[in-house]
Amino acid sequence: QKEVEQNSGPLSVPEGAIASLNCTYSDRGSQSFFWYRQYSGKSPELIMFIYSNGDKEDGRFTAQLNKASQYVSLLIRDSQPSDSATYLCAVKGNNRLAFGKGNQVVVIP
Amino acid sequence: NAGVTQTPKFQVLKTGQSMTLQCAQDMNHNSMYWYRQDPGMGLRLIYYSASEGTTDKGEVPNGYNVSRLNKREFSLRLESAAPSQTSVYFCASSRTGVGVGNTEAFFGQGTRLTVV
Repeated sequence: QKEVEQNSGPLSVPEGAIASLNCTYSDRGSQSFFWYRQYSGKSPELIMFIYSNGDKEDGRFTAQLNKASQYVSLLIRDSQPSDSATYLCAVKGNNRLAFGKGNQVVVIP
Repeated sequence: NAGVTQTPKFQVLKTGQSMTLQCAQDMNHNSMYWYRQDPGMGLRLIYYSASEGTTDKGEVPNGYNVSRLNKREFSLRLESAAPSQTSVYFCASSRTGVGVGNTEAFFGQGTRLTVV
């Protein structure tokens, strides 16, 4: 079992709709959780971090964490064409930072 | 601020050649990481260093060695390059700690390596 799993295939959403991305992790001791965005040919950049169970909102982005289910999600509201990118889930524990394989999001104008 | 600087940005190697990828950060971070990224595979951790003087294997360490030269610098060495090591390599750094703020990783620009 991989440390961090993102199993959904490419996600196409109409402009203005909500994009929903999911991530599960295997290390129950993990304590820090991150969502990164990566445009083609560029480095990953941080969108959100979350440490506590529940929801955390930042602008059009909401991260959700459920440690009991070992599950992290990201919602993108009012999706814009500029949101078209690959979204990477990352999990940190004992200073080891592991990433999922990413989900490609395409926002259709 | 330069942040995380990687060199070189592009490199072509012949099978069996060796090379070292350099990484330096100016954010006074304790933790540094090396990843490789292949199509459809996400970022896979090669090695990481939680602090100066320590290094640990990640998910895919075979064929690589690392050196944490000092707090700023973390290098990745390929002793005998193989075509399977063709990839984009990213160095990253972060503050140490979990469950607290400002511990996200910052990335370098990446090194695109081709082994022929």
